[in-house]
Amino acid sequence: GQQLNQSPQSMFIQEGEDVSMNCTSSSIFNTWLWYKQDPGEGPVLLIALYKAGELTSNGRLTAQFGITRKDSFLNISASIPSDVGIYFCAGHSTGTASKLTFGTGTRLQVTL
Amino acid sequence: SQTIHQWPATLVQPVGSPLSLECTVEGTSNPNLYWYRQAAGRGLQLLFYSVGIGQISSEVPQNLSASRPQDRQFILSSKKLLLSDSGFYLCAWSGFAEAFFGQGTRLTVV
Repeated sequence: GQQLNQSPQSMFIQEGEDVSMNCTSSSIFNTWLWYKQDPGEGPVLLIALYKAGELTSNGRLTAQFGITRKDSFLNISASIPSDVGIYFCAGHSTGTASKLTFGTGTRLQVTL
Repeated sequence: SQTIHQWPATLVQPVGSPLSLECTVEGTSNPNLYWYRQAAGRGLQLLFYSVGIGQISSEVPQNLSASRPQDRQFILSSKKLLLSDSGFYLCAWSGFAEAFFGQGTRLTVV
């Protein structure tokens, strides 16, 4: 099935550093979502974005809905060890039979 | 509040054996339901989705099938498992856009 381009694929960062990842699509989406998946568990919804240009925060996480509606960004400030996991973006468009399109994932590893 | 239950958590099955994974949702009506598969360290591959009882759409041709016998029940099945069916299977539900996932089933076909 269709997937979004998500980058970077993986990243090693030091504890306390800020993290940025992004997702791009050739299609316009009306909703952007960001998920985090811990090893052996299902993805958990972190942030939902509903309007182009929207900037939303959830604790140390901040996500933005791109103006073109074809991209989204997730930033994590002052990373901590429990931020380790795989982060997925997902896009949703009305009229696509309610399916979400998921990004390929960014694997985040934090070194102490 | 809505909850999603998926079981079993882990499963080891021999090649050629049948499979049945079950997923149920509580606290909502007429949810959209999904089955995803995830290979180790990889992304989410949508296998099936359903917008209502008895309505199943398949995303990729494969050795698996899905059924929705009740509004909040989604079942993933196979008549004869292949080695390539091993993976992490995730059930999810959504209302409009946001999807919420179960805890997953780790299937190992030996």
